Amino acid sequence: DQQVKQNSPSLSVQEGRISILNCDYTNSMFDYFLWYKKYPAEGPTFLISISSIKDKNEDGRFTVFLNKSAKHLSLHIVPSQPGDSAVYFCAASASGDSSYKLIFGSGTRLLVRP
Amino acid sequence: SAVISQKPSRDICQRGTSLTIQCQVDSQVTMMFWYRQQPGQSLTLIATANQGSEATYESGFVIDKFPISRPNLTFSTLTVSNMSPEDSSIYLCSVAMYNEQFFGPGTRLTVL
Repeated sequence: DQQVKQNSPSLSVQEGRISILNCDYTNSMFDYFLWYKKYPAEGPTFLISISSIKDKNEDGRFTVFLNKSAKHLSLHIVPSQPGDSAVYFCAASASGDSSYKLIFGSGTRLLVRP
Repeated sequence: SAVISQKPSRDICQRGTSLTIQCQVDSQVTMMFWYRQQPGQSLTLIATANQGSEATYESGFVIDKFPISRPNLTFSTLTVSNMSPEDSSIYLCSVAMYNEQFFGPGTRLTVL
């Protein structure tokens, strides 16, 4: 049973436009959510996170929105740049789990066209 | 953040052999993790490795297949034993710091 789902395996957007990547989760115990970016032949790089006590967190061009009632989060990148082309993973953890275990989605491959 | 290195970066191995992957961190950390990313799939946690105690394995992963060592706070190894082609994956270590996890570059393993 996939607890974290990214239903779009790929997304293509024009440079300068907004990229919206979506993620759904099923476990109501999750209260901390992260987005990672992964380039080929590299490990995932932390991008941005959000705690369940917030519904929005912004860092430069990246904003994460959390809708707890819908168990849905999204990552907005605006404006999108060709260097943003990568695979994006959302991940979730439960603070009650002291092991800091992360459950990852299957990833969305973003292509930003020049 | 933490700087994490892994050795080897990639390897091609024969069925039935074993490979040990090393993970080195530039600072002392309590919690280290080993993940697997099979082709086209997500990252799956194999086990949590804490210094001074036995590794904790996730469902579907066993110590005989994936023995882990954690001799100190900056180093860990994962062995993939008796390999089969189904073990072909990227293996990544990560560390937990400041409520985040930082990942190594990964080891790409191909089993023939």
